[in-house]
Amino acid sequence: SQQGEEDPQALSIQEGENATMNCSYKTSINNLQWYRQNSGRGLVHLILIRSNEREKHSGRLRVTLDTSKKSSSLLITASRAADTASYFCATDNYGQNFVFGPGTRLSVLP
Amino acid sequence: DVKVTQSSRYLVKRTGEKVFLECVQDMDHENMFWYRQDPGLGLRLIYFSYDVKMKEKGDIPEGYSVSREKKERFSLILESASTNQTSMYLCASTREQGAWDTQYFGPGTRLTVL
Repeated sequence: SQQGEEDPQALSIQEGENATMNCSYKTSINNLQWYRQNSGRGLVHLILIRSNEREKHSGRLRVTLDTSKKSSSLLITASRAADTASYFCATDNYGQNFVFGPGTRLSVLP
Repeated sequence: DVKVTQSSRYLVKRTGEKVFLECVQDMDHENMFWYRQDPGLGLRLIYFSYDVKMKEKGDIPEGYSVSREKKERFSLILESASTNQTSMYLCASTREQGAWDTQYFGPGTRLTVL
């Protein structure tokens, strides 16, 4: 079974609204990362949060990590059409290798 | 600027053919990875390498092999392509051995096996 699982699988919102995606994982981690993938392209790193951090910001992105619940959330504020993409969380499986979830497909409608 | 390149964006091969997918990174990174991506399954790790001539199996190595003769180049080999290997293949690299930090991805190769 997968280490990371994003929720929801798909999300549609209007431009200007906030988008929230969640990620749950199973084993201990050193860090958790979020990536974005535009259709048919490679993944682009968005943000990394370490296991001893609870919240991190980068521009319009806010990531939280709750190690007691083994979960993370990615919030995109004031979404734009250009934010339309798939979003993946990845965990390091406590230093063994990276494990990705199946992703959340975000559609931002103009 | 960080760069990972893959030899082809699109590739069409016949069942039974030997297929080589090449990945090159120009960042002097230690670790390199090969994933396949299928709808609903996300990315699954095939093989990774933390040094030249070193390789480690990932979650789904069956039907694949890899080669890392030079630090910057990591090749994925399908010895005898099958239709169930039709997929998007993504290469990635990270900076230091044992540093499980930011992965830099190539643009991907969409392989179709007929």
